[in-house]
Amino acid sequence: GQSLEQPSEVTAVEGAIVQINCTYQTSGFYGLSWYQQHDGGAPTFLSYNGLDGLEETGRFSSFLSRSDSYGYLLLQELQMKDSASYFCAVREDSGGYQKVTFGIGTKLQVIP
Amino acid sequence: DAGVIQSPRHEVTEMGQEVTLRCKPISGHDYLFWYRQTMMRGLELLIYFNNNVPIDDSGMPEDRFSAKMPNASFSTLKIQPSEPRDSAVYFCASSAHRAVLYEQYFGPGTRLTVT
Repeated sequence: GQSLEQPSEVTAVEGAIVQINCTYQTSGFYGLSWYQQHDGGAPTFLSYNGLDGLEETGRFSSFLSRSDSYGYLLLQELQMKDSASYFCAVREDSGGYQKVTFGIGTKLQVIP
Repeated sequence: DAGVIQSPRHEVTEMGQEVTLRCKPISGHDYLFWYRQTMMRGLELLIYFNNNVPIDDSGMPEDRFSAKMPNASFSTLKIQPSEPRDSAVYFCASSAHRAVLYEQYFGPGTRLTVT
């Protein structure tokens, strides 16, 4: 089995930096993905960490520490359009096949 | 590419009726996923296919739910009979083999309301 924890809500100011944390408990861990979902929209893939360290994609970065079972998504130079829900998702081995399980999501509100 | 296509976008039905949701994955993607999203339970994986074969259906709530993938370009999720608690947004997603599940492309979803 597995469990994922991430904060339910975060508020940050436009132009600032925000970090959204994700901790997990699972066996057969392969990697951690991040998705963004705007209200009324579909989740869209942001990044993936299969190894420890930082992955950078423009204003977004994602970090993974496998020894700490912890990762985070870092959003820089926040824009109003970044207001959305952000999900971490664990890719894991589950009885001989792989599966992906999503966290409950963090609702980010960017304020002027 | 048109992305993942789902139909219908909205469905309102009465309790006890059969509901069929449809999905066309991105061409060339080997994996297809069905998810259900609600406020209370978040995004739940119902079932996923690899090369048209169901791999993990442990998330299918009960026998009222069934999913098929008769070919690489089409899948259905059927609920029979439907119940009010099935009201949710149902997403279909697909993934390429090289991404091995972690980079999924979601369709726009079907918002199902069962009255």
